[in-house]
Amino acid sequence: KQEVTQIPAALSVPEGENLVLNCSFTDSAIYNLQWFRQDPGKGLTSLLLIQSSQREQTSGRLNASLDKSSGRSTLYIAASQPGDSATYLCAVKRSNFNKFYFGSGTKLNVKP
Amino acid sequence: ETGVTQTPRHLVMGMTNKKSLKCEQHLGHNAMYWYKQSAKKPLELMFVYSLEERVENNSVPSRFSPECPNSSHLFLHLHTLQPEDSALYLCASSQDRAGYGYTFGSGTRLTVV
Repeated sequence: KQEVTQIPAALSVPEGENLVLNCSFTDSAIYNLQWFRQDPGKGLTSLLLIQSSQREQTSGRLNASLDKSSGRSTLYIAASQPGDSATYLCAVKRSNFNKFYFGSGTKLNVKP
Repeated sequence: ETGVTQTPRHLVMGMTNKKSLKCEQHLGHNAMYWYKQSAKKPLELMFVYSLEERVENNSVPSRFSPECPNSSHLFLHLHTLQPEDSALYLCASSQDRAGYGYTFGSGTRLTVV
């Protein structure tokens, strides 16, 4: 069974800092990995999707990397802003299955 | 709105009530999903529908009954729920079972009293 772990569970940083969120998974046979953002009481918004053959994806101030062999992914947020405050979830899709395995998330607070 | 609309946004129901959650997407997606999000726990996949056929049921109690009348609509019928069923219920859709274009709704916050 695939288990996804996110560290830290919560993070508070001052505005402008660069930060890294971590995601680890136990089974390296993945189809893809996706990072989502969830605002309080809301649904999830897809941020970046990395296919198993890719090493990283970038969108604006966000960069996600994938190292399948070590079972790790990182989400790098550059020049953080208060609007980045949210919970960030990592999800892994197993090969040939459509089920996502989600981590518990990292709750980010960016202080003005 | 993301293209996946869920109603109602909030629901309070007694343990003997019967209610239904509704999800609607007009993205042309062929797969739809129900997820449960409880406090401090990872998202739990409940049901998967692909082309209106239920393809996955992750050991969900029978007090939760899904219905997919067409590729644009998904319902979750609730009856005789327990207080521990209180959670955020999220609907999602994707282009196909591979999961491309995964899009979530804003969820229904359910409280069972």
